[in-house]
Amino acid sequence: DQQVKQNSPSLSVQEGRISILNCDYTNSMFDYFLWYKKYPAEGPTFLISISSIKDKNEDGRFTVFLNKSAKHLSLHIVPSQPGDSAVYFCAASAFSGAGSYQLTFGKGTKLSVIP
Amino acid sequence: DAGVIQSPRHEVTEMGQEVTLRCKPISGHDYLFWYRQTMMRGLELLIYFNNNVPIDDSGMPEDRFSAKMPNASFSTLKIQPSEPRDSAVYFCASSGQSSSYEQYFGPGTRLTVT
Repeated sequence: DQQVKQNSPSLSVQEGRISILNCDYTNSMFDYFLWYKKYPAEGPTFLISISSIKDKNEDGRFTVFLNKSAKHLSLHIVPSQPGDSAVYFCAASAFSGAGSYQLTFGKGTKLSVIP
Repeated sequence: DAGVIQSPRHEVTEMGQEVTLRCKPISGHDYLFWYRQTMMRGLELLIYFNNNVPIDDSGMPEDRFSAKMPNASFSTLKIQPSEPRDSAVYFCASSGQSSSYEQYFGPGTRLTVT
């Protein structure tokens, strides 16, 4: 049972346009959400995060929106650049005691930005 | 800082052989995580440690898998005996108390079991 779902395996966007990557979750105990970016042959790298007490967080060209009632978050990239072409993972965390912060990942969305 | 270091980067072995994957976390980080990535299941957590102590190993698929962290700067994931279905990319990640949610990943080990 997937608790974090990224329903679009791939997305193609023209350079300069907006990229919107979506993520849905089922566990209402999740209280922190992150986006990771992964290039081929490299490990995932942290991109941006949002706490469940917020509905928006912005960092340069990247903005994450959280809709708790819909259990949905999205990552907006504006404007998209060819270097943004990568696999994007959505991750969610629920505090589970013993000071632990386990992350549950979606399966990823491959973004291709076309020059 | 060099980041999380994993070795080897690639491992090809025959079914039945023992495989040992190695990880050096970022200095000062007190959480260490082992993940496995496959096409079917995506990124799944296998086990994680806090201050060298295993906290949750519920993601370890079978008794063939074991992990150790003898000190703060080294961890191993061992598969014995290996099977073709173990073929995957294995990632190690670490995090610290100051930014506990943000995990820093190594480059991964691509394991192929023939």
